[in-house]
Amino acid sequence: AQRVTQPEKLLSVFKGAPVELKCNYSYSGSPELFWYVQYSRQRLQLLLRHISRESIKGFTADLNKGETSFHLKKPFAQEEDSAMYYCALVDRGNTPLVFGKGTRLSVIA
Amino acid sequence: SAVISQKPSRDICQRGTSLTIQCQVDSQVTMMFWYRQQPGQSLTLIATANQGSEATYESGFVIDKFPISRPNLTFSTLTVSNMSPEDSSIYLCSVGGNTNTEAFFGQGTRLTVV
Repeated sequence: AQRVTQPEKLLSVFKGAPVELKCNYSYSGSPELFWYVQYSRQRLQLLLRHISRESIKGFTADLNKGETSFHLKKPFAQEEDSAMYYCALVDRGNTPLVFGKGTRLSVIA
Repeated sequence: SAVISQKPSRDICQRGTSLTIQCQVDSQVTMMFWYRQQPGQSLTLIATANQGSEATYESGFVIDKFPISRPNLTFSTLTVSNMSPEDSSIYLCSVGGNTNTEAFFGQGTRLTVV
């Protein structure tokens, strides 16, 4: 069965410090991995996906198939990065996303 | 992209009653998904709603408790029936999210059952 694990419920870092939000997945095939973010009082939205291999708002995430991980990283955290972050996967077209439990990132000034 | 309007945004309901949540999309979509997010938990898929056919429910969710309608390609409703305090949660509708498109979400319905 597909599973997404985010081991940290809460991560607090100081402004300017590096950030790494961990995500591990369990899936036998080749899933697509995503990071979704929910800022305070806003709806859930896509942050980035592994197939695009792009950096969004300074965040990057590399899919490591050997370690089945898709950790989200940013070298210098900003206060506006404080939000709830969800790692998610999908295995093929038109199937719903499977979400991790989420990590709340708090960036302290 | 898709814009999803979901209502109500929140409600407080008496146990034993039912609440219907509406989800309107600004474009035609084949599948719509309904999720539940219990306090401190992740998003759990309730069911997938296809237009013109019965919804497909995930393990642990049944049609009698969560009947879903999908009358056309832009609209769906989820009813939470015979509510109990354990149904207190945020309910979200979503479209997309496959390998070719990003998922879009409604703003959620925060339900409190007293």
